[in-house]
Amino acid sequence: EAEVAQSPRYKITEKSQAVAFWCDPISGHATLYWYRQILGQGPELLVQFQDESVVDDSQLPKDRFSAERLKGVDSTLKIQPAELGDSAMYLCASSLSSGGANEQFFGPGTRLTVL
Amino acid sequence: QQQVKQSPQSLIVQKGGISIINCAYENTAFDYFPWYQQFPGKGPALLIAIRPDVSEKKEGRFTISFNKSAKQFSLHIMDSQPGDSATYFCAATRSMDSSYKLIFGSGTRLLVRP
Repeated sequence: EAEVAQSPRYKITEKSQAVAFWCDPISGHATLYWYRQILGQGPELLVQFQDESVVDDSQLPKDRFSAERLKGVDSTLKIQPAELGDSAMYLCASSLSSGGANEQFFGPGTRLTVL
Repeated sequence: QQQVKQSPQSLIVQKGGISIINCAYENTAFDYFPWYQQFPGKGPALLIAIRPDVSEKKEGRFTISFNKSAKQFSLHIMDSQPGDSATYFCAATRSMDSSYKLIFGSGTRLLVRP
């Protein structure tokens, strides 16, 4: 069964350091999402890609976060510099196309701890 | 107006009992309401979804009840099993508008005791 792959699964870093997360969506899925899930809360969308284009990054803290999906396949989310408040689970999801009714398939996430 | 409010925060049910999780929304433009199930160490997975043109949808032991006038919807898990122990998230969006993102509730941690 096809799955969304994410790495690393866990990341511990010190504040002010740079971190990067990688996501490989299900093959053929044009839409890719990055979510942040704070402990005890639901996922919150950070950025949405349609192929290689960003279609929604309204909740992405652009002073420190960046995301790219250069060839419209895998994607990287970067934080520089990391802050204590960035500690959370970072989830990647993909769907065949955009539109809320298209089922989103989530990866296992990257658990980030900023010390 | 974009929020989805979910309750309870946590729920303990005996095996064989009924688990009920409730959600409420404000934005009347929402027309697609999925429920996601998340096990520890895993990402959320779609469990069941409903559109407001029906008041109820059932898939196996899982049923969504929808009250359009009250802007509320709920998940019922019949004959709850220990394997159902997970965190459940309701969500809402406008299905035909790609500019609408999926808005998640805060989650309900369900524990089914054997």
